[in-house]
Amino acid sequence: DSGVTQTPKHLITATGQRVTLRCSPRSGDLSVYWYQQSLDQGLQFLIQYYNGEERAKGNILERFSAQQFPDLHSELNLSSLELGDSALYFCASSVVAGGDSYNEQFFGPGTRLTVL
Amino acid sequence: DQQVKQNSPSLSVQEGRISILNCDYTNSMFDYFLWYKKYPAEGPTFLISISSIKDKNEDGRFTVFLNKSAKHLSLHIVPSQPGDSAVYFCAASGGTYKYIFGTGTRLKVLA
Repeated sequence: DSGVTQTPKHLITATGQRVTLRCSPRSGDLSVYWYQQSLDQGLQFLIQYYNGEERAKGNILERFSAQQFPDLHSELNLSSLELGDSALYFCASSVVAGGDSYNEQFFGPGTRLTVL
Repeated sequence: DQQVKQNSPSLSVQEGRISILNCDYTNSMFDYFLWYKKYPAEGPTFLISISSIKDKNEDGRFTVFLNKSAKHLSLHIVPSQPGDSAVYFCAASGGTYKYIFGTGTRLKVLA
C-alpha cells in the first residue's frame, strides 16, 4: 500500500459525458501527479501540482483539467469524453518540491475509465 | 515520438539467473532516470534511480547501468526470483521534459 488513494476504482460512462477522478496523496506529500495509461502504452504524464499550484504540464488535452485543493487532494476532470479516453488513470504523490526531477513518486492503484 | 523506448515487450528468465531489462532514450536533456515495477491491479512502485552524473547504481539485487554516449540504460536483477515477475517501466526526466515513461517490459521469472 503506497498510501495514495484513488476513487473510484472503476468508472463506466458514455461518450460526451464528464467525469471526475479523485486522488488523496500520502500524508505529508505536497506534489500530486496525474498519468494516463492506455492499452499497450506507457504511462503518459498529464499534469503536476505542488501545494495547490500547477507546476508542470505534459500531454494533457484541453478537454481535461485538474486542480489541487487546500487539503492537498486532487481531482482530474475529463469532459466531452471520447472512446479513446478509455484508460487507466494513475495519481502519484511525492514529498519534494514540485518540478524537481530527483524524486520518487508513490503511485495510487489507479482508476479504470471505460467510455462506451 | 517515443523519447523513451523499451523495445522488448516481454522477457522470460529462469529463477536464479540474471534478468536484463533495457531502455533507450533519445533526448540528451534527460538527466535522471528511474525504474518502476508494476504488478497487475496495482500502481507502479519505485525500484531504483540513477543520475546522469553516475554510470551505475546498485541496491541489493538491482543494479542500473547508464551509458550516456549510447543513450541507453539497463536494469540488472540478480538473482531473479519468481516474485520479480511484473511489468518494468523505465522513466526519464530532465530540463523541461518531465516524467517520460517507456511502454514497459513484462518480466516472467520461471521457477
